[in-house]
Amino acid sequence: SYEVTQTLSVSVALGQTAIITCGGNNIGDKGVHWYQQKPGQAPVLVIYSNTNRPSGIPERFSGSNSGNTATLTISRAQGGDEADYYCQVWHTSVVFGGGTKLTVL
Amino acid sequence: QVTLRESGPALVKPTQTLTLTCTFSGFSLTTSGMCVSWIRQPPGKALEWLARIDWDNDRHYSTSLKTRLTISKDTSKNQVVLIMTNMDPADTATYYCARTPRTSVGNWFDPWGQGTLVTVSS
Repeated sequence: SYEVTQTLSVSVALGQTAIITCGGNNIGDKGVHWYQQKPGQAPVLVIYSNTNRPSGIPERFSGSNSGNTATLTISRAQGGDEADYYCQVWHTSVVFGGGTKLTVL
Repeated sequence: QVTLRESGPALVKPTQTLTLTCTFSGFSLTTSGMCVSWIRQPPGKALEWLARIDWDNDRHYSTSLKTRLTISKDTSKNQVVLIMTNMDPADTATYYCARTPRTSVGNWFDPWGQGTLVTVSS
């Protein structure tokens, strides 16, 4: 079965750039989607198909995908960005990463 | 505006069958390419996809849970129902439904319902 790996936690200083990664074998050949989940809330789609932002998602959120790593980048990080972030791909079935907890210092 | 809402029992006993209903608005499951999925999340743990039903009534299940799951739809009521048999305490989780557009560039979940917490305990 296909697995994707996420770093358990990432810390970023207020106003700096946060980078959250999702690793998988040749993940660059797949479409990767990213979700933000704040405590007690349902997940929210922030990036779909590697690089696309749904309407209402700030331009500070961007995505890329190449080789064995997909990346979610959050520029000018704000306190409101503190959340768990999950990547998701399709490989014969839906696969979620284990999630990355983002802390804004 | 697209909304989804899950409903069902908050507590079920081990070995019982769980029936959850997703009631949605703002889109139609008769539209080509439209689907609805169920995803769950045990407390403090990651997301796990369970099942998907497509506009053409095609159904897809998690490999590990397929023997216990049945998904169905009632387009006249804008509802999708998930049935999970032989419930176990390990199935304690928040269960979400989500709209899933099926496109040439992949499937994603947007938006999600608020979720419903199901506890399995005797």
